[in-house]
Amino acid sequence: KAGVTQTPRYLIKTRGQQVTLSCSPISGHRSVSWYQQTPGQGLQFLFEYFSETQRNKGNFPGRFSGRQFSNSRSEMNVSTLELGDSALYLCASSLGSGANGYTFGSGTRLTVV
Amino acid sequence: AQTVTQSQPEMSVQEAETVTLSCTYDTSESDYYLFWYKQPPSRQMILVIRQEAYKQQNATENRFSVNFQKAAKSFSLKISDSQLGDAAMYFCAGFMDSNYQLIWGAGTKLIIKP
Repeated sequence: KAGVTQTPRYLIKTRGQQVTLSCSPISGHRSVSWYQQTPGQGLQFLFEYFSETQRNKGNFPGRFSGRQFSNSRSEMNVSTLELGDSALYLCASSLGSGANGYTFGSGTRLTVV
Repeated sequence: AQTVTQSQPEMSVQEAETVTLSCTYDTSESDYYLFWYKQPPSRQMILVIRQEAYKQQNATENRFSVNFQKAAKSFSLKISDSQLGDAAMYFCAGFMDSNYQLIWGAGTKLIIKP
């Protein structure tokens, strides 16, 4: 059974550009969550989707957005990139609410220069 | 507000010995779940063990076990017979069904000495 797949694994962007990250969950998993990981702030919740509906959103500016498609695949977009957006972005999927635990992808390492 | 605190930035243990990683949390919810995740240098977060708050029995997964003290809001992870492959960052996290998100501790870097 394939795991959670995140693409790309590495990305270098320039300040002011926008970026789209992709996440394919485990087959059958309908919940997809996104987290930002940085050395200074640790792991912070971005948003969670279930059956194409955003159920919760973290405390991030509106430049961060996401969506989920009917096949449960999810994308997150960051517009007008800032240096501080450099981070590891982790995607996780679960069958339902996440109470049974999430399965994580290997992340996308975004560097903004 | 829900918080998770890991006060040990780094721990080291001799191979084959036992180590305990500490975690405390705070929540006003009555129904919640606690997890320990492991993140090796490969970056992928791996679920180590899960505890349901309404269960008094401590969870165990092979060499990994927890000491869940609900009244004290403490959730420590014990690793027995430590192996070189256990070296990683370990994160404690809490989950409440009411907000669909994991609340994370800052992590503990575990070093295994051969």
